[in-house]
Formats: sequence, structure tokens, C-alpha cells
Amino acid sequence: DAGVIQSPRHEVTEMGQEVTLRCKPISGHNSLFWYRQTMMRGLELLIYFNNNVPIDDSGMPEDRFSAKMPNASFSTLKIQPSEPRDSAVYFCASSFLQGPETQYFGPGTRLLVL
Amino acid sequence: AQSVSQHNHHVILSEAASLELGCNYSYGGTVNLFWYVQYPGQHLQLLLKYFSGDPLVKGIKGFEAEFIKSKFSFNLRKPSVQWSDTAEYFCAVNAGTGRRALTFGSGTRLQVQP
Repeated sequence: DAGVIQSPRHEVTEMGQEVTLRCKPISGHNSLFWYRQTMMRGLELLIYFNNNVPIDDSGMPEDRFSAKMPNASFSTLKIQPSEPRDSAVYFCASSFLQGPETQYFGPGTRLLVL
Repeated sequence: AQSVSQHNHHVILSEAASLELGCNYSYGGTVNLFWYVQYPGQHLQLLLKYFSGDPLVKGIKGFEAEFIKSKFSFNLRKPSVQWSDTAEYFCAVNAGTGRRALTFGSGTRLQVQP
């Protein structure tokens, strides 16, 4: 059974470039979460979707960040333009919301902005 | 806002030693509690979770955790660690109702020496 799939696994880009991170949740899950992990701030939620609808984007750092979920099996997190301080590991997680839920994490995308 | 504290940032143990990692949270209502493990270079994996019922929960790989409501704690334990347990361990909390984001602790890096 495939878990959460993320691509790319590693991304190196230059400041000012657009970066798109992709996530495929576990089949049958109806909620998707984007987290960011940095040394300074640890793991923090950026945004989450329920049934493809963004529910809470209060963690999105600024307008340079945007996320979409066009269907139940795909989501993107876009940074435009990217900055060095965006360098981090970005995790996608999915869950099935029915009572208490468990979030399952993907392998992450390690982003380095030069 | 809820917060999670992991007081042990870096723990070094010899193989076969017993392990206890502390986790305290600040939230007065119903909570769901989790321990995740992140092996070097890998994604977060669920070790165990507590939703309700028996406050002593058992997880994978011989780990267990005890929920003590009066102390707002959910400490992780293992009677005898192995070199393969070397990893970073994250405690996470989700409020029983409302915002569904996981709030993570800062993590504890465990190093097991052979």
C-alpha cells in the first residue's frame, strides 16, 4: 500500500525562482496537510485541506506561498519568488477524518534556495 | 494556543539502557497525543498514539507511552534501546476538537552507542 508520495525529494534553486512541490496523499484519505521543518522553528503547519478545500492557511508565511488541491489525489505547494530563508524540509501528510485522526507523513522535499 | 515541550534535546545512551523521553503539553481540553520518529534522512513515522481509554499505550518496536492527565504529560519509554533506535523523536498534540493541526515539540535527538 503506497504511502504519501512527494516530489521532488530534493530541490536546489536560486533566489527568485519559482518552486513547486507536489504531494499525492494516501488513497481514500480526505485531508491533506503541508508542514515545514527548519532548525530554528521545528515542525510547523503551513496549510491544510479537507475534501480538497483549504481550511486553515494561517501558517502560510506570506503571499509568496500558495497551495492548491485540484482533486483528492494531488496537491501543490508553490513558492514564488523563492528566498534563501525558505530553505527547509517540506512535508506533506494525509489523514482520514472520522473521529480522532492520525496523520501519515510523506518523505519530504528538501529545498535549498541559494 | 497549545504548545508542546520536550525538555531533553539530545540523549546519548548505550545499547540495552532504558529510555524515557519527556513530553509535556499545555492545553486544558481533550487532546490526542502522538509520538513520531524520524530516522536519519527519512520521513516521520508514527510510533504510537493516544486518543482515549487505557493511558498506557504500546507502539511499534517495543515503545510505549503513558498519558498522565494531571501532569499534562505523555512520556515515551523503552526498556532496552538498540543502536537502530538512533533517531529524532517528536511528541505531537492535537486538540480533541477545533483546529486539526498537529503541534509538535522541538524533538529529542537520541543517539544509541553500540
